[in-house]
Parts: sequence; structure tokens; C-alpha cells
Amino acid sequence: QKEVEQDPGPLSVPEGAIVSLNCTYSNSAFQYFMWYRQYSRKGPELLMYTYSSGNKEDGRFTAQVDKSSKYISLFIRDSQPSDSATYLCARTDQTGANNLFFGTGTRLTVIP
Amino acid sequence: DSGVTQTPKHLITATGQRVTLRCSPRSGDLSVYWYQQSLDQGLQFLIQYYNGEERAKGNILERFSAQQFPDLHSELNLSSLELGDSALYFCASSVEGAGVGPAAQYFGPGTRLTVL
Repeated sequence: QKEVEQDPGPLSVPEGAIVSLNCTYSNSAFQYFMWYRQYSRKGPELLMYTYSSGNKEDGRFTAQVDKSSKYISLFIRDSQPSDSATYLCARTDQTGANNLFFGTGTRLTVIP
Repeated sequence: DSGVTQTPKHLITATGQRVTLRCSPRSGDLSVYWYQQSLDQGLQFLIQYYNGEERAKGNILERFSAQQFPDLHSELNLSSLELGDSALYFCASSVEGAGVGPAAQYFGPGTRLTVL
């Protein structure tokens, strides 16, 4: 069992839609959670990170962690064709080290 | 552009061979991480170096090794290559070392390795 589970999709939405991307994790000792975006044939780029439960907002993006249910979400408002990419959730190592453990990624396509 | 550079971009080689992948971190970053991305396994952490010292190890095979040099660039050596080693290899860097998180990791463009 992977420690971070992510629905691989693919997910297609019309431009302007609200997108919800989700991950679940198994170990409540995990501390930090990140969302990375990866365009085709490029390296992942950090979108947001969160610590503990609650929401964090950055422009059209909102990251949410629910530690009671071990659920991580990324919401994208007013989705744009340029948001078409693979979105990866990740968590840090439970020992406090900084190396990341990724979900399998969800491929998102925003249709103009 | 993340500021992390990786060479070469593409590498095609045969089974049993040895290759070296090179990474230059962002200016000022002391930590370098290596990841492998394949279709079946996704993005997997291999190894981390901090200021020249190995800091954390992930799913790195014994045939693989890495080092970080005094100028902070890093090399990933892959030997006795097998077909299953074909993948994208990413290097990432961050400014903090282990134990201080989460330091944002900046990924390079990757090296695509094809083993024939």
C-alpha cells in the first residue's frame, strides 16, 4: 500500500470550472503536505504546502488538509487551459527530513 | 526556470552499461535530492545530500550511487543498467538541510534515460 494515495484520473473539465483534486494518506505522523504541478516533459513545480489541518489559499488555488480523515485536497477556481497538467500531492518524511513522498499524480485537462 | 540544471537531457544506452547524471543546484541551496519517475512507480525519492554529506536514502538500488561535490553539484551514477531503469531522473535542491521543513524543493528539467 502506497503511503499517499491519489486518484490518477484523468480528469477533464470545461474552462471556468472548479476543480477538486484529492489524496489520502495512511500515517497520522505525517507533518507537511505539498501540491506540485508538472507539465508534460517538465520537472514538478511547487504550488503550495500546508501544515496541520485547515485551508491555505493562494490566488485561484486552495489547499486543504483534514487530519482527522487523513484527506488532502487542492481546489482550483476558475480553471484555465494553462492549468492542464499533472498534479502531485506529496508529504514529507515522518522523521522530519525534507525528502518527499509523492502520490501517483492526477492528470487534469481544462477544455477551452 | 527553477534554477536547477541537469545534464544531459537525454541519454540512450545499452543494458549492462554505466552512466552518470549531473545536477547543479540553485545558487545558495545546500541540499540536493534525486528522484526517479517511471510510468509504473511514479515519482520516487532516491537519495538526499546536504553540503556534501548523505542525509537520507529512499528506494535507491545498490547499483546506483550518488555524491555531492564541494561546489555543491551532484552526480548520480547508475551501473549495470537494466531495461527497467529507463525513466526520468530528476534532481531537486533546497536551501535548508534535513530536520527543518518544509523547505521548498525546486526541480530541474530532468534527464530522460532510455536503456535498450
